[in-house]
Amino acid sequence: SQQGEEDPQALSIQEGENATMNCSYKTSINNLQWYRQNSGRGLVHLILIRSNEREKHSGRLRVTLDTSKKSSSLLITASRAADTASYFCATGLIQGAQKLVFGQGTRLTINP
Amino acid sequence: DAGVIQSPRHEVTEMGQEVTLRCKPISGHDYLFWYRQTMMRGLELLIYFNNNVPIDDSGMPEDRFSAKMPNASFSTLKIQPSEPRDSAVYFCASSQGTGAEQYFGPGTRLTVT
Repeated sequence: SQQGEEDPQALSIQEGENATMNCSYKTSINNLQWYRQNSGRGLVHLILIRSNEREKHSGRLRVTLDTSKKSSSLLITASRAADTASYFCATGLIQGAQKLVFGQGTRLTINP
Repeated sequence: DAGVIQSPRHEVTEMGQEVTLRCKPISGHDYLFWYRQTMMRGLELLIYFNNNVPIDDSGMPEDRFSAKMPNASFSTLKIQPSEPRDSAVYFCASSQGTGAEQYFGPGTRLTVT
């Protein structure tokens, strides 16, 4: 089964609103990463949060990590049409941290 | 830097034919990963290398799949013979150091008829 599972599978919001995506995982991790994939393109790394961190910011992105609940969330504030993409969480396990296990992704649509 | 380079971008072949996908990682990166993405199974790690040495090939689906990394700037993923169920987008990614972010190439869309 998947190590990381995103929720919701699809999200549609209006431009300017905030978008929140969640990720749950099963086993202990070294780090958790979020990636974006535009249709027909490769994945682009957004942000990495280590297991000893609780929150991280990058521009309009805010990531939280709760290792006790084995969950993470990605918040995109003031969404734009260009944010329309699929978003994946990926977990780096403690053993073999360089090997990432990806979830199935959240399809985000920003309506103008 | 040009990023991770993959070729070809699209490949259409007939069942039974040999397919070779190519990847040039980012210079200086010591890890290289091959992934396969399908609607049904999502993004799956096939194999990864560290300093040109295969470390984990547990994701390689069958003996029909093989991967090599003859030097730090080049890797191939070969499917022989190909089957329609191999149709997918194959991504190559590279990273520097353990637990680091991965940089993905644009992918090769493979269609086996």
